[in-house]
Amino acid sequence: RKEVEQDPGPFNVPEGATVAFNCTYSNSASQSFFWYRQDCRKEPKLLMSVYSSGNEDGRFTAQLNRASQYISLLIRDSKLSDSATYLCVVNRFNKFYFGSGTKLNVKP
Amino acid sequence: GAGVSQSPRYKVAKRGQDVALRCDPISGHVSLFWYQQALGQGPEFLTYFQNEAQLDKSGLPSDRFFAERPEGSVSTLKIQRTQQEDSAVYLCASSAFAGTGGVNDGYTFGSGTRLTVV
Repeated sequence: RKEVEQDPGPFNVPEGATVAFNCTYSNSASQSFFWYRQDCRKEPKLLMSVYSSGNEDGRFTAQLNRASQYISLLIRDSKLSDSATYLCVVNRFNKFYFGSGTKLNVKP
Repeated sequence: GAGVSQSPRYKVAKRGQDVALRCDPISGHVSLFWYQQALGQGPEFLTYFQNEAQLDKSGLPSDRFFAERPEGSVSTLKIQRTQQEDSAVYLCASSAFAGTGGVNDGYTFGSGTRLTVV
């Protein structure tokens, strides 16, 4: 079983839509949590850290449920520029474990 | 430089050839990581340095892979006798954070080296 599991998608949504991604992680000792964004043939870039209290950055909201070992990302008012692969990441003792990513396509 | 720099950006190697991939981390960053990303997959951990010390090399797939960071700044990932399954993007990341606790800030990745073994 992979350390971090994500639905690969693709999620095809119209501009302005709200879309939600989820991931689960298997090791309860995981210490910190992130969403990264990766554009085609580019390096992953940090989108946001994820906290149990939930956190928001503009149109993006992330949530962590430690009891269920579940992480979510909500994107409101999708833009064409949001099209990318979103990687769920957990950190345990300086080792990042990445999911395989969820592909998002935002259509005009 | 302002970010993590990797070279070369692209490398084509014949099977059996040795390759060396370079990473220049952000100046002053004590931690440096190498990851391997196969097509359609998320990056996978290879190895971790804190300054010049290689604290974790559990992700190196075989003894053909070797990494070093002799002066605690630039790092080189060497792959000997390359095989087709080594074809991937090799990503380097650095962090100002040192230690084995959790971090609340993500790492900054370089643009990667895309290795193709033919």
